[in-house]
Amino acid sequence: AQSVAQPEDQVNVAEGNPLTVKCTYSVSGNPYLFWYVQYPNRGLQFLLKYITGDNLVKGSYGFEAEFNKSQTSFHLKKPSALVSDSALYFCAVRDRERRSSASKIIFGSGTRLSIRP
Amino acid sequence: DTAVSQTPKYLVTQMGNDKSIKCEQNLGHDTMYWYKQDSKKFLKIMFSYNNKELIINETVPNRFSPKSPDKAHLNLHINSLELGDSAVYFCASGLTSGRGTDTQYFGPGTRLTVL
Repeated sequence: AQSVAQPEDQVNVAEGNPLTVKCTYSVSGNPYLFWYVQYPNRGLQFLLKYITGDNLVKGSYGFEAEFNKSQTSFHLKKPSALVSDSALYFCAVRDRERRSSASKIIFGSGTRLSIRP
Repeated sequence: DTAVSQTPKYLVTQMGNDKSIKCEQNLGHDTMYWYKQDSKKFLKIMFSYNNKELIINETVPNRFSPKSPDKAHLNLHINSLELGDSAVYFCASGLTSGRGTDTQYFGPGTRLTVL
């Protein structure tokens, strides 16, 4: 069974500093990996995804994530945090082996990112 | 030009009532989903429809019944509402092409409060 873990409930970073939000996954085959962001009282917004190819994926708002197969991780990073990055971040995984329409995306429990001025 | 829309945004109702939440997407996607987000922000899939066909049906009570009149709509009907149904319900849609690399696009959510 596929699963995804976000070990930190909350990450606090000062504005201008680099940030990392951790994610590890478990699937039976090769994964599709996603990051979504949820601002207060809003739906989830897609940030980036890893499908294949370059392990470093660049996404919206200056975010990037690095796929590490040996560590089964897909950590979200940004070189310089902004106060406006404060939100809830979800990592998600889908098993690419199953028929696409029947395959579920499993979401992590979310990490609340708080950027202080 | 909202991509995925849900109505209503807020729904407050009494225990035992029946209610529906509507979802529409104008992205031309062939798959639509319903998710439930609980008070701890944990997000769990409930259903998915592909071309009006039920594909994923997680372990949810029979009181929850999705209806897809066409590819652009997926409504959620809930019978005999219970206190534990209080949550935020998100609709999402995606394009499940042959490569299956679909990104899901979410609606703004419907906050259901059962009193």
